[in-house]
Amino acid sequence: NAGVTQTPKFRVLKTGQSMTLLCAQDMNHEYMYWYRQDPGMGLRLIHYSVGEGTTAKGEVPDGYNVSRLKKQNFLLGLESAAPSQTSVYFCASSQNRISTEAFFGQGTRLTVV
Amino acid sequence: EDQVTQSPEALRLQEGESSSLNCSYTVSGLRGLFWYRQDPGKGPEFLFTLYSAGEEKEKERLKATLTKKESFLHITAPKPEDSATYLCASGGYQKVTFGTGTKLQVIP
Repeated sequence: NAGVTQTPKFRVLKTGQSMTLLCAQDMNHEYMYWYRQDPGMGLRLIHYSVGEGTTAKGEVPDGYNVSRLKKQNFLLGLESAAPSQTSVYFCASSQNRISTEAFFGQGTRLTVV
Repeated sequence: EDQVTQSPEALRLQEGESSSLNCSYTVSGLRGLFWYRQDPGKGPEFLFTLYSAGEEKEKERLKATLTKKESFLHITAPKPEDSATYLCASGGYQKVTFGTGTKLQVIP
Protein backbone atom coordinates (compact mmCIF):
# COMPACT_ATOMS: atom_id res chain seq x y z
CA ASN A 1 0.00 0.00 0.00
CA ALA A 2 1.88 3.07 -1.29
CA GLY A 3 -0.35 5.77 0.29
CA VAL A 4 0.44 9.16 -1.26
CA THR A 5 3.15 9.33 -3.91
CA GLN A 6 4.63 12.55 -5.30
CA THR A 7 6.64 12.97 -8.48
CA PRO A 8 9.34 14.27 -8.79
CA LYS A 9 11.24 14.37 -5.48
CA PHE A 10 13.60 17.17 -6.54
CA ARG A 11 13.56 19.76 -9.31
CA VAL A 12 15.49 22.86 -10.26
CA LEU A 13 13.77 25.38 -12.54
CA LYS A 14 14.85 28.59 -14.14
CA THR A 15 12.72 31.67 -13.59
CA GLY A 16 9.87 31.69 -16.08
CA GLN A 17 9.86 27.94 -16.76
CA SER A 18 6.77 25.85 -16.16
CA MET A 19 6.33 22.47 -14.54
CA THR A 20 3.73 20.09 -13.15
CA LEU A 21 3.94 18.19 -9.89
CA LEU A 22 2.03 14.94 -9.77
CA CYS A 23 0.35 13.44 -6.72
CA ALA A 24 -1.25 10.01 -6.64
CA GLN A 25 -3.09 8.31 -3.78
CA ASP A 26 -4.33 4.75 -3.57
CA MET A 27 -6.60 5.06 -0.51
CA ASN A 28 -9.73 6.11 -2.41
CA HIS A 29 -9.78 9.42 -0.52
CA GLU A 30 -12.17 12.14 -1.63
CA TYR A 31 -10.12 15.13 -0.43
CA MET A 32 -6.68 16.06 -1.72
CA TYR A 33 -4.43 19.02 -0.91
CA TRP A 34 -1.29 20.80 -2.00
CA TYR A 35 0.78 22.53 0.70
CA ARG A 36 4.04 24.38 0.69
CA GLN A 37 6.47 24.36 3.60
CA ASP A 38 8.97 27.16 4.11
CA PRO A 39 11.48 27.66 6.94
CA GLY A 40 9.91 29.35 9.96
CA MET A 41 6.40 29.01 8.59
CA GLY A 42 3.77 26.38 9.08
CA LEU A 43 2.44 24.32 6.21
CA ARG A 44 0.36 26.61 4.02
CA LEU A 45 -2.47 25.37 1.82
CA ILE A 46 -2.16 26.24 -1.86
CA HIS A 47 -5.19 24.53 -3.41
CA TYR A 48 -7.40 21.64 -2.50
CA SER A 49 -10.04 19.36 -3.98
CA VAL A 50 -13.11 17.84 -2.37
CA GLY A 51 -13.68 15.34 -5.14
CA GLU A 52 -12.99 14.38 -8.72
CA GLY A 53 -13.43 17.33 -11.05
CA THR A 54 -13.47 19.93 -8.25
CA THR A 55 -10.78 22.36 -7.05
CA ALA A 56 -10.70 25.29 -4.65
CA LYS A 57 -8.23 27.96 -3.59
CA GLY A 58 -6.39 27.73 -0.34
CA GLU A 59 -4.36 30.27 1.60
CA VAL A 60 -1.63 30.98 -1.00
CA PRO A 61 -2.99 30.11 -4.49
CA ASP A 62 -1.37 32.84 -6.61
CA GLY A 63 1.00 31.54 -9.28
CA TYR A 64 -0.33 27.97 -9.10
CA ASN A 65 -3.02 25.99 -10.87
CA VAL A 66 -4.40 22.54 -10.12
CA SER A 67 -6.47 19.85 -11.75
CA ARG A 68 -8.20 16.72 -10.50
CA LEU A 69 -9.37 14.82 -13.55
CA LYS A 70 -9.20 11.47 -11.78
CA LYS A 71 -10.04 10.78 -8.15
CA GLN A 72 -6.64 9.33 -7.39
CA ASN A 73 -4.56 12.11 -8.97
CA PHE A 74 -4.06 15.78 -8.10
CA LEU A 75 -1.75 17.89 -10.25
CA LEU A 76 -0.09 21.16 -9.26
CA GLY A 77 1.13 23.42 -12.04
CA LEU A 78 3.47 26.37 -12.05
CA GLU A 79 2.96 28.34 -15.25
CA SER A 80 5.87 30.75 -14.88
CA ALA A 81 8.11 29.88 -11.97
CA ALA A 82 9.47 32.63 -9.70
CA PRO A 83 12.22 32.45 -7.05
CA SER A 84 9.52 33.03 -4.39
CA GLN A 85 8.15 29.61 -5.30
CA THR A 86 11.29 27.90 -4.06
CA SER A 87 9.91 25.63 -1.37
CA VAL A 88 9.10 22.08 -0.36
CA TYR A 89 5.72 21.01 -1.68
CA PHE A 90 3.60 18.37 -0.02
CA CYS A 91 0.54 16.62 -1.32
CA ALA A 92 -1.91 15.15 1.17
CA SER A 93 -5.23 13.35 1.15
CA SER A 94 -8.02 12.73 3.62
CA GLN A 95 -11.04 10.52 3.55
CA ASN A 96 -14.14 12.68 3.63
CA ARG A 97 -13.59 16.13 5.18
CA ILE A 98 -10.98 18.78 5.76
CA SER A 99 -10.72 18.55 9.56
CA THR A 100 -9.59 14.98 9.83
CA GLU A 101 -6.32 13.11 9.75
CA ALA A 102 -4.40 13.63 6.55
CA PHE A 103 -1.87 11.41 4.84
CA PHE A 104 1.11 13.18 3.31
CA GLY A 105 3.45 12.37 0.49
CA GLN A 106 7.22 12.50 0.88
CA GLY A 107 7.52 15.98 -0.62
CA THR A 108 9.02 17.68 -3.66
CA ARG A 109 11.92 20.05 -3.12
CA LEU A 110 11.71 22.77 -5.79
CA THR A 111 14.37 25.37 -6.37
CA VAL A 112 13.75 28.25 -8.77
CA VAL A 113 16.91 30.07 -9.86
CA GLU B 1 -8.17 34.54 12.32
CA ASP B 2 -7.16 30.98 13.19
CA GLN B 3 -3.73 30.77 14.76
CA VAL B 4 -1.47 28.02 16.12
CA THR B 5 1.68 28.74 18.14
CA GLN B 6 4.08 26.02 19.20
CA SER B 7 6.75 26.23 21.87
CA PRO B 8 9.58 25.75 22.29
CA GLU B 9 10.95 26.01 18.74
CA ALA B 10 13.63 23.49 19.60
CA LEU B 11 14.16 21.12 22.51
CA ARG B 12 17.17 19.03 23.35
CA LEU B 13 16.70 16.19 25.83
CA GLN B 14 18.87 13.49 27.25
CA GLU B 15 17.58 9.98 26.66
CA GLY B 16 15.09 9.21 29.42
CA GLU B 17 14.46 12.88 30.27
CA SER B 18 10.70 13.48 30.06
CA SER B 19 9.27 16.79 28.85
CA SER B 20 6.28 18.44 27.19
CA LEU B 21 5.68 20.35 23.97
CA ASN B 22 3.09 23.11 23.92
CA CYS B 23 0.57 24.09 21.24
CA SER B 24 -1.59 27.17 21.78
CA TYR B 25 -4.46 27.62 19.38
CA THR B 26 -7.28 29.97 18.51
CA VAL B 27 -9.91 28.73 16.12
CA SER B 28 -13.58 29.40 15.65
CA GLY B 29 -15.32 26.08 16.01
CA LEU B 30 -12.67 23.45 16.70
CA ARG B 31 -13.34 20.29 14.73
CA GLY B 32 -10.11 18.60 15.79
CA LEU B 33 -6.62 19.27 17.14
CA PHE B 34 -3.97 17.25 15.32
CA TRP B 35 -0.42 16.20 16.10
CA TYR B 36 1.99 15.07 13.41
CA ARG B 37 5.58 13.89 13.45
CA GLN B 38 7.91 14.97 10.64
CA ASP B 39 11.31 13.40 10.05
CA PRO B 40 13.93 15.28 7.99
CA GLY B 41 13.21 15.04 4.27
CA LYS B 42 9.85 13.32 4.84
CA GLY B 43 6.22 14.32 4.90
CA PRO B 44 4.31 14.72 8.17
CA GLU B 45 3.04 11.50 9.72
CA PHE B 46 -0.23 11.55 11.64
CA LEU B 47 -0.06 10.85 15.38
CA PHE B 48 -3.25 11.94 17.15
CA THR B 49 -6.56 13.75 16.84
CA LEU B 50 -8.15 15.33 19.92
CA TYR B 51 -11.72 16.60 19.70
CA SER B 52 -12.70 18.09 23.06
CA ALA B 53 -11.18 19.60 26.19
CA GLY B 54 -10.09 16.95 28.66
CA GLU B 55 -9.44 14.33 26.04
CA GLU B 56 -6.16 12.39 26.15
CA LYS B 57 -4.57 9.95 23.73
CA GLU B 58 -1.44 7.83 24.06
CA LYS B 59 0.91 6.05 21.74
CA GLU B 60 4.04 4.41 23.11
CA ARG B 61 6.02 7.19 24.86
CA LEU B 62 3.74 9.98 23.63
CA LYS B 63 0.62 11.33 25.28
CA ALA B 64 -1.42 14.20 23.87
CA THR B 65 -3.82 16.28 25.97
CA LEU B 66 -6.24 19.09 25.15
CA THR B 67 -7.67 22.09 26.94
CA LYS B 68 -9.86 24.86 25.51
CA LYS B 69 -6.80 26.91 24.52
CA GLU B 70 -3.82 24.55 24.48
CA SER B 71 -2.65 21.09 23.67
CA PHE B 72 0.37 19.36 25.12
CA LEU B 73 2.43 16.52 23.77
CA HIS B 74 4.06 14.77 26.69
CA ILE B 75 7.10 12.62 25.96
CA THR B 76 7.96 10.12 28.66
CA ALA B 77 11.46 8.63 28.82
CA PRO B 78 12.29 9.58 25.23
CA LYS B 79 14.67 7.59 23.05
CA PRO B 80 16.90 8.88 20.24
CA GLU B 81 14.42 7.55 17.67
CA ASP B 82 11.88 10.07 19.00
CA SER B 83 14.01 12.84 17.49
CA ALA B 84 11.87 14.66 14.91
CA THR B 85 9.87 17.82 14.39
CA TYR B 86 6.41 17.65 15.96
CA LEU B 87 3.69 19.65 14.26
CA CYS B 88 0.41 20.76 15.79
CA ALA B 89 -2.59 21.78 13.69
CA SER B 90 -6.06 23.09 14.50
CA GLY B 91 -8.97 21.98 12.37
CA GLY B 92 -11.83 24.36 11.86
CA TYR B 93 -14.90 23.96 9.71
CA GLN B 94 -13.24 24.58 6.36
CA LYS B 95 -9.57 24.97 7.23
CA VAL B 96 -6.64 23.35 8.99
CA THR B 97 -3.98 25.70 10.40
CA PHE B 98 -0.51 24.34 11.13
CA GLY B 99 2.03 25.56 13.64
CA THR B 100 5.71 25.90 12.82
CA GLY B 101 6.66 22.87 14.88
CA THR B 102 8.98 21.92 17.72
CA LYS B 103 12.24 20.29 16.71
CA LEU B 104 13.07 17.63 19.27
CA GLN B 105 16.52 16.14 19.61
CA VAL B 106 17.05 13.25 22.02
CA ILE B 107 20.68 12.60 22.87
CA PRO B 108 21.86 9.09 23.88
